[in-house]
Amino acid sequence: EAGVTQSPTHLIKTRGQQATLRCSPISGHTSVYWYQQALGLGLQFLLWYDEGEERNRGNFPPRFSGRQFPNYSSELNVNALELEDSALYLCASSLWLAGGLPPEQFFGPGTRLTVL
Amino acid sequence: KQEVTQIPAALSVPEGENLVLNCSFTDSAIYNLQWFRQDPGKGLTSLLLIQSSQREQTSGRLNASLDKSSGRSTLYIAASQPGDSATYLCAAPGGTSYGKLTFGQGTILTVHP
Repeated sequence: EAGVTQSPTHLIKTRGQQATLRCSPISGHTSVYWYQQALGLGLQFLLWYDEGEERNRGNFPPRFSGRQFPNYSSELNVNALELEDSALYLCASSLWLAGGLPPEQFFGPGTRLTVL
Repeated sequence: KQEVTQIPAALSVPEGENLVLNCSFTDSAIYNLQWFRQDPGKGLTSLLLIQSSQREQTSGRLNASLDKSSGRSTLYIAASQPGDSATYLCAAPGGTSYGKLTFGQGTILTVHP
């Protein structure tokens, strides 16, 4: 069974441009999560989508946005790129079961975004 | 608000040693705790998930324990191998925002031959 996939692997942009990152969850998973791992800052939660809806958002400015498509894949968009947006962006997926306990999250390989 | 701390920040051991990595969390009302492995520049590999109702979880040479009352989890690695060298991260769902995982800063493990 295929795991979480992300594209592209690497992305190089200049300051002020827009970046679009893509994620495909494990088949059958309906939730997608986005995390940022910047050098020296650890892993920070960005966004959580479930069944096409945004369920939770981390402490990031509005220029970080995303969406989830009917097939549960997801896109993360970063507008007006700044140098400090350079980071590894990780996507995870999970399936929430009846009872609502937080499920195990499975991560993809990440997209390395470099802003010059 | 959930906060997660890991000690030590780095650990270097000779091959064959048994070792323990520590993880502390501030909100004892956690639903579960997850341990991950991350190789340099790569994504996260889920190692173990411990539910709040469990005290231990085992997978091969790995054993993780969870003590909610003390706010601690430990990851025990038996008979370490050079291939175990990686960064190990623990993470817990955060309070009412339980879709979100709060991560520790990680322990960088180096196992030398």
